[in-house]
Amino acid sequence: DAGITQSPRHKVTETGTPVTLRCHQTENHRYMYWYRQDPGHGLRLIHYSYGVKDTDKGEVSDGYSVSRSKTEDFLLTLESATSSQTSVYFCAISPGFGTNEKLFFGSGTQLSVL
Amino acid sequence: TQLLEQSPQFLSIQEGENLTVYCNSSSVFSSLQWYRQEPGEGPVLLVTVVTGGEVKKLKRLTFQFGDARKDSSLHITAAQPGDTGLYLCAGARYGNKLVFGAGTILRVKS
Repeated sequence: DAGITQSPRHKVTETGTPVTLRCHQTENHRYMYWYRQDPGHGLRLIHYSYGVKDTDKGEVSDGYSVSRSKTEDFLLTLESATSSQTSVYFCAISPGFGTNEKLFFGSGTQLSVL
Repeated sequence: TQLLEQSPQFLSIQEGENLTVYCNSSSVFSSLQWYRQEPGEGPVLLVTVVTGGEVKKLKRLTFQFGDARKDSSLHITAAQPGDTGLYLCAGARYGNKLVFGAGTILRVKS
């Protein structure tokens, strides 16, 4: 199994509070991704990173920011959480960015915004 | 609107039966991946198909990429309870910015 650790695994927070989710990898992969998974929508890309301090937006980036100060860590921040951000968040990594590249996923963070 | 439409959404079958899951789009993809996900875990890649018309087999699972690279299917022969899970297709249009289907929940009863 790829060495990907997401923390926390579960989080309950209130609307309007800031929340940070952490993804830590031990594979030294260059590319890291944050997805959210919602019933009926599959997984949707929030942000991704192609190197330290290099990030780009995905299809559902509004309300989210990311940071990557080290190769192994990719942080996802909800500046002011809303109920629509209740979801399961998955971090993924890949060594490259080609269309045949395999994504390795973490075990997810269940976030509930009340 | 889902760019990749998966069908059926739910499938409950008896052990030993065959089944097919479909993944359809009006868009062309450079590759199509299939993942399997168990409760409480992240998706795990099963296969990647790249060439139009390509067929790949993984034990009892057969994956096919449409000739026009707009659709794909997953066929399972003689399903077993261990096949139970969420099956996701994902299309690549640029690099690894994958577009995922909503998934098919498969339950195989013994």
